[in-house]
Amino acid sequence: EAGVAQSPRYKIIEKRQSVAFWCNPISGHATLYWYQQILGQGPKLLIQFQNNGVVDDSQLPKDRFSAERLKGVDSTLKIQPAKLEDSAVYLCASSLGQGSEQFFGPGTRLTVL
Amino acid sequence: GEDVEQSLFLSVREGDSSVINCTYTDSSSTYLYWYKQEPGAGLQLLTYIFSNMDMKQDQRLTVLLNKKDKHLSLRIADTQTGDSAIYFCVRRGSGNTPLVFGKGTRLSVIA
Repeated sequence: EAGVAQSPRYKIIEKRQSVAFWCNPISGHATLYWYQQILGQGPKLLIQFQNNGVVDDSQLPKDRFSAERLKGVDSTLKIQPAKLEDSAVYLCASSLGQGSEQFFGPGTRLTVL
Repeated sequence: GEDVEQSLFLSVREGDSSVINCTYTDSSSTYLYWYKQEPGAGLQLLTYIFSNMDMKQDQRLTVLLNKKDKHLSLRIADTQTGDSAIYFCVRRGSGNTPLVFGKGTRLSVIA
């Protein structure tokens, strides 16, 4: 069974630029999560989708971050404009349903210069 | 203080037992997990325990929960070099509440 796929694996941008990350969850998984993991810390939930609807985006900095899962499968996370403090690994996870075991992708490492 | 606290580093010799400790503040935590993160790899769920249990054993892994003290530990028996990784203590409440991660404990296994 294929795992959670993410791309790109690495991205380097300058501050004030825009960036987008893509996630393809495990087939059949209705719930999709985006996490931010800053160096030396544990992952922090940014947003949770159930199919194509947002369940929890309370920790998403909505002035610069946006995410969508239009068809209830793939998802994109965008940052516009990026700040230095956005440098982190962005992890995507999926689960069969809310509260089920989450399976994580390898992450996208973002460096903002 | 942090919601989930754990020591940042642990170094053990190959073949010894490793014990990683964690404390948490939210007494409504229903599920407690241990995740493993290896360089370049995604987070992997190692094991979990429900708050109504006090111990769970799974091969080389033993999880102990002291709910009164809000203390969780992970013991790895016969630690191998392949166990070198960052281990995250994670809690979750009931229903659809988010996972809350600690900062992780970096385990180094010396051959």
